[in-house]
Amino acid sequence: DAGVIQSPRHEVTEMGQEVTLRCKPISGHNSLFWYRQTMMRGLELLIYFNNNVPIDDSGMPEDRFSAKMPNASFSTLKIQPSEPRDSAVYFCASSLTLAGEVNTGELFFGEGSRLTVL
Amino acid sequence: KNQVEQSPQSLIILEGKNCTLQCNYTVSPFSNLRWYKQDTGRGPVSLTIMTFSENTKSNGRYTATLDADTKQSSLHITASQLSDSASYICVVTQAGTALIFGKGTTLSVSS
Repeated sequence: DAGVIQSPRHEVTEMGQEVTLRCKPISGHNSLFWYRQTMMRGLELLIYFNNNVPIDDSGMPEDRFSAKMPNASFSTLKIQPSEPRDSAVYFCASSLTLAGEVNTGELFFGEGSRLTVL
Repeated sequence: KNQVEQSPQSLIILEGKNCTLQCNYTVSPFSNLRWYKQDTGRGPVSLTIMTFSENTKSNGRYTATLDADTKQSSLHITASQLSDSASYICVVTQAGTALIFGKGTTLSVSS
């Protein structure tokens, strides 16, 4: 299996621009997570999907952030408009979660998308 | 408050030496604890997972311990190699609810 695939690996943009990050989870996994990692705060959960349905989006910082999962093999995280404080590494992870339980499976992370907002 | 605290924040050791990383947690109810290794510029990769009833788990030169009574875990690395240089993240699963991440320990192994 190719693992979790994220794109782009690096993105440099100017404040106010729209940023779209993409993720392809491991085939057969039913849970998908978006995390943000900074030196100060470590890994923070932004949003969690189970069977393509958003379950917990309490970590999404504000309305400028949105995430979608139109099907089991694709998800996007969009920031509009972007701000310098959004600069971070954004990770997508997937897992196989047992029915009726949350976060039971091992997380498999992608290589991350490093975002720099000038 | 559910928290995972790791120490030390960073560590430098000579190649071939052993080291131990610590993880203390206040997560309840507890489901399991995982250690992840994150190489620079890469995503985290799982090293070990331990449930409440397990107190030791090994993966090659990595040995994790868990004391569920004191809510402490450690990751021991034996005969360190340059490739062990990475961040090590402790993650505790709050049963049925969420994953609580520590901020990690950055290990540098020098020759």
